[in-house]
Amino acid sequence: ETGVTQSPTHLIKTRGQQVTLRCSSQSGHNTVSWYQQALGQGPQFIFQYYREEENGRGNFPPRFSGLQFPNYSSELNVNALELDDSALYLCASAGVDNEQFFGPGTRLTVL
Amino acid sequence: QKEVEQNSGPLSVPEGAIASLNCTYSDRGSQSFFWYRQYSGKSPELIMSIYSNGDKEDGRFTAQLNKASQYVSLLIRDSQPSDSATYLCAVFNQAGTALIFGKGTTLSVSS
Repeated sequence: ETGVTQSPTHLIKTRGQQVTLRCSSQSGHNTVSWYQQALGQGPQFIFQYYREEENGRGNFPPRFSGLQFPNYSSELNVNALELDDSALYLCASAGVDNEQFFGPGTRLTVL
Repeated sequence: QKEVEQNSGPLSVPEGAIASLNCTYSDRGSQSFFWYRQYSGKSPELIMSIYSNGDKEDGRFTAQLNKASQYVSLLIRDSQPSDSATYLCAVFNQAGTALIFGKGTTLSVSS
């Protein structure tokens, strides 16, 4: 069974740029959720995708957007990067029991 | 604003002792509760889920849930230095789409 994978591992961008982060779900999982984790904080829910449709959204501005593909992989796009967007971005996939398993994360640094 | 509260710690216990981690939540309608372990620089790892009042045991871990008191706990028996990590309590929102996390409790087990 293949676990959740994410790419890239680390990324450095400058303020105002755009970034795309990618996630591949665990085999058999059709739900993908994205979280942002700032240093010393718990993860914060960004949004969830189920069968290619957004299924819930947290308190993040519209410049955070996403996609889910037919193979259940997913992308998180962030436009107009701000310094406060520096964080660990986590993707989690879930199957029918809705238990969420996290990928290794992408560490984004915005300078 | 739905909240999950944890003592940030650090909680320090000697090797072989029982570590007790506590969590309270504000949404009385919450039905699903999780404990994740997060090592420094890594992503959260699901270690326990609990849905019904009472205790649930898995190896050295026991999760306890009291919905009337809106309280979840995690007991780690025979604590090992490898248990040293941050433990995150998480609760599903009522829609079952978003995990709401506490800030985590840092556990340090000394040998």
